[in-house]
Amino acid sequence: EAGVAQSPRYKIIEKRQSVAFWCNPISGHATLYWYQQILGQGPKLLIQFQNNGVVDDSQLPKDRFSAERLKGVDSTLKIQPAKLEDSAVYLCASSPWDRGSAGANVLTFGAGSRLTVL
Amino acid sequence: AQTVTQSQPEMSVQEAETVTLSCTYDTSESNYYLFWYKQPPSRQMILVIRQEAYKQQNATENRFSVNFQKAAKSFSLKISDSQLGDTAMYFCAFSLTNAGKSTFGDGTTLTVKP
Repeated sequence: EAGVAQSPRYKIIEKRQSVAFWCNPISGHATLYWYQQILGQGPKLLIQFQNNGVVDDSQLPKDRFSAERLKGVDSTLKIQPAKLEDSAVYLCASSPWDRGSAGANVLTFGAGSRLTVL
Repeated sequence: AQTVTQSQPEMSVQEAETVTLSCTYDTSESNYYLFWYKQPPSRQMILVIRQEAYKQQNATENRFSVNFQKAAKSFSLKISDSQLGDTAMYFCAFSLTNAGKSTFGDGTTLTVKP
């Protein structure tokens, strides 16, 4: 079974520039998540999709961050314009949708996209 | 809102010894799951072990076991016979039963020394 694919693995940009990250989840996983992991901290949820609908985007800084999941499969996270404090690893994860099952809440992570904003 | 606290930023253990990582959480809900994830250096995060809150029996996975104290809201991870490959950052995570998403602690960096 193929894992969660993310690209690019590394990106360096100047502040005020834009960047986009791509994620392809495990086949058949209905739920997709974007997490932000700042160095030395745990992952923080940015947005959760169920198929192609947004379940939770309460922690997404909507003035600069946007995300979409067209056709309920792969997803793109965009930052525009980037700030210094956006330097982090952006983790994509997916899980199956099976309410009440512990499997539904088990996250499978991609390798992450490391962003450095100068 | 749920919170997860890991009070040990760093720990070390000698190879073949046993180590316990601590985690506490705060919630007013009764139906949830708890997880430990492992993030090796420069590698992706993987699930180590999970616990359903309604189960009184502590989960075990080979050398990994948990001590789940629901009333105390405590969820520690014990690693027995530590191996060099256990060197990683370990995250405790909490998830409401029907929410899908997890809330993570800030992690414990574990170093296994030869």
